Amino acid sequence: QLQLQESGPGLVKPSETLSLTCTVSGGSISSSNYYWGWIRQPPGKGLEYIGSVYYSGSTWYNPSFKSRVTISIDTSKNQFSLNLRSVTAADTAVYYCARPEYAYGMDDWGHGTTVTVSS
Amino acid sequence: EIVLTQSPATLSLSPGERATLSCRASQSIRNSLAWYQQKPGQAPRLLIYDVSNRATGIPARFSGSGSGTDFTLTIISLEPEDFAVYYCQQRSNWPQLTFGGGTKVEIK
Repeated sequence: QLQLQESGPGLVKPSETLSLTCTVSGGSISSSNYYWGWIRQPPGKGLEYIGSVYYSGSTWYNPSFKSRVTISIDTSKNQFSLNLRSVTAADTAVYYCARPEYAYGMDDWGHGTTVTVSS
Repeated sequence: EIVLTQSPATLSLSPGERATLSCRASQSIRNSLAWYQQKPGQAPRLLIYDVSNRATGIPARFSGSGSGTDFTLTIISLEPEDFAVYYCQQRSNWPQLTFGGGTKVEIK
């Protein structure tokens, strides 16, 4: 049973960088043909796909975030990470990591972690 | 960018009633559509993939249909645990994924 767990600071100051890690257990993050993604949900709002990293390290980013975001993978630690630069209050959200599968959808999600941007 | 528009924003129904949720794409996405259910404080749960295929463990009262730009999620008889927010999501230009804005199914 694949499990994903987000971790990182719950409070980030405006203009700083939000950094989160997703630790994968119950399976190898370097298994072929899988992307690993980040999704966020501002309070009371819908889901927003931030981007994803392939097991090989290639990435795709939502154009809405492209200039501020970096997603990376560390196969030695079975983790992948999200860095979002120059945050503002609008980046306050629950951040989820998940594994999207091309022909299936996202069946494996972390529980989510709340990040508040405030001074 | 493909935009998904869900309607209605809120659906007020009673247990036992039929729920019909709509998701419209700004351009054809063929059969590349999934549906998720989200309850408060929980991560989304995959219900349907590729328009009409139920994910593992999803009850038969959930069904999906549609093609091209217009899609529907139907819950044939609402159970108390079905009151939640539902999202559609497309993958037609993989690995780009987008979600619809959601439909809240609330108890009338």
